[in-house]
Amino acid sequence: EAGVTQFPSHSVIEKGQTVTLRCDPISGHDNLYWYRRVMGKEIKFLLHFVKESKQDESGMPNNRFLAERTGGTYSTLKVQPAELEDSGVYFCASSQRTGRSYNEQFFGPGTRLTVL
Amino acid sequence: GNSVTQMEGPVTLSEEAFLTINCTYTATGYPSLFWYVQYPGEGLQLLLKATKADDKGSNKGFEATYRKETTSFHLEKGSVQVSDSAVYFCALDRTGNQFYFGTGTSLTVIP
Repeated sequence: EAGVTQFPSHSVIEKGQTVTLRCDPISGHDNLYWYRRVMGKEIKFLLHFVKESKQDESGMPNNRFLAERTGGTYSTLKVQPAELEDSGVYFCASSQRTGRSYNEQFFGPGTRLTVL
Repeated sequence: GNSVTQMEGPVTLSEEAFLTINCTYTATGYPSLFWYVQYPGEGLQLLLKATKADDKGSNKGFEATYRKETTSFHLEKGSVQVSDSAVYFCALDRTGNQFYFGTGTSLTVIP
């Protein structure tokens, strides 16, 4: 079974440009999460989808970030326009919807974004 | 609020040395606690977990015990190997839908 995949693995852009990150969750996983790790800091939650609906977007830093999950399958995270402080590693995770209080999240390898 | 504080790195150990990475947490209610590991070039992998007080999670020779009285979940391994070189993240989950991670501790094991 394929794990969570993310594309691209690395992106280098200039300040003011737009970048779109993609995440393909494990097939059948209704829950999809985005996290971000800024250099040397903790990994921080950005948002959570259940199927195509945003369940919790409390971690989104500002309105330059837009996440979508059309059809409840893959998700994209767009940053427009990118700023220097957006540099970091963006992780995606997915989990099954089991109704339990704990659902193991499976993480992708991350996309390293560098804004110059 | 919810937060995790873990030992600053980097940590460098010789092969077969004893490893401890400290982790303490702040949370409302009764969180589940986790250790994730990120090997070079790979994604985060769940290493072990504990879902209630006094539970011990273990995997691949690593152990951590959920201590409610000290709000801690320290990671230990009796004898590290070169292949254990990675970044280790302590995390908590209160709701089942959002993880709170520590800053990560980079471990390098030298032969």
